[in-house]
Amino acid sequence: NAGVMQNPRHLVRRRGQEARLRCSPMKGHSHVYWYRQLPEEGLKFMVYLQKENIIDESGMPKERFSAEFPKEGPSILRIQQVVRGDSAAYFCASSPGTEYTEAFFGQGTRLTVV
Amino acid sequence: AQKVTQAQTEISVVEKEDVTLDCVYETRDTTYYLFWYKQPPSGELVFLIRRNSFDEQNEISGRYSWNFQKSTSSFNFTITASQVVDSAVYFCALSEALMSGSARQLTFGSGTQLTVLP
Repeated sequence: NAGVMQNPRHLVRRRGQEARLRCSPMKGHSHVYWYRQLPEEGLKFMVYLQKENIIDESGMPKERFSAEFPKEGPSILRIQQVVRGDSAAYFCASSPGTEYTEAFFGQGTRLTVV
Repeated sequence: AQKVTQAQTEISVVEKEDVTLDCVYETRDTTYYLFWYKQPPSGELVFLIRRNSFDEQNEISGRYSWNFQKSTSSFNFTITASQVVDSAVYFCALSEALMSGSARQLTFGSGTQLTVLP
């Protein structure tokens, strides 16, 4: 079974550009979580999605950030008009959402804003 | 609100020494889950263990062992006979449990950088 797949692994954007980060959950998993890890910090929850629904976005910045998890295809975390402070590692985790299981994390996308 | 504290920012040990990483948590939930993750220099997050709040049995897996003490809200992690390959950042995390049994988001500690010297 393939694990949680994130791409790209590394992304460089100039200030003002858009960043799109993709997450394909494990097969059979319909719940996706996005976390952000700022340099030398722990991971901070951003958003929790089920297929076609945002369940909890309490950790998302109010502006420029959005997330979706369409019926078909990967979950997308979109950052518009990136700034230097957006430079971080973004991790995605998935779970089946029926019985509890540990959250399976992808390898992360490292975003660098120059 | 939930909170996880890893007071040790950095620890250095010499190979073959035992090392314990501390984790203290706060939650108002009666049912919750505790985790440890390892983040090696390559950056990915490696799951190590999940513990249910109802299960206070200590666990051992090879050189790794975990001590869950509900009375002190601690979930400490010990590596016995450490090796250079154990060098990584280790994160403790907490999650509430929903009525359905599904877990919600994780609250992470700030991590402990472990360096094992040869």
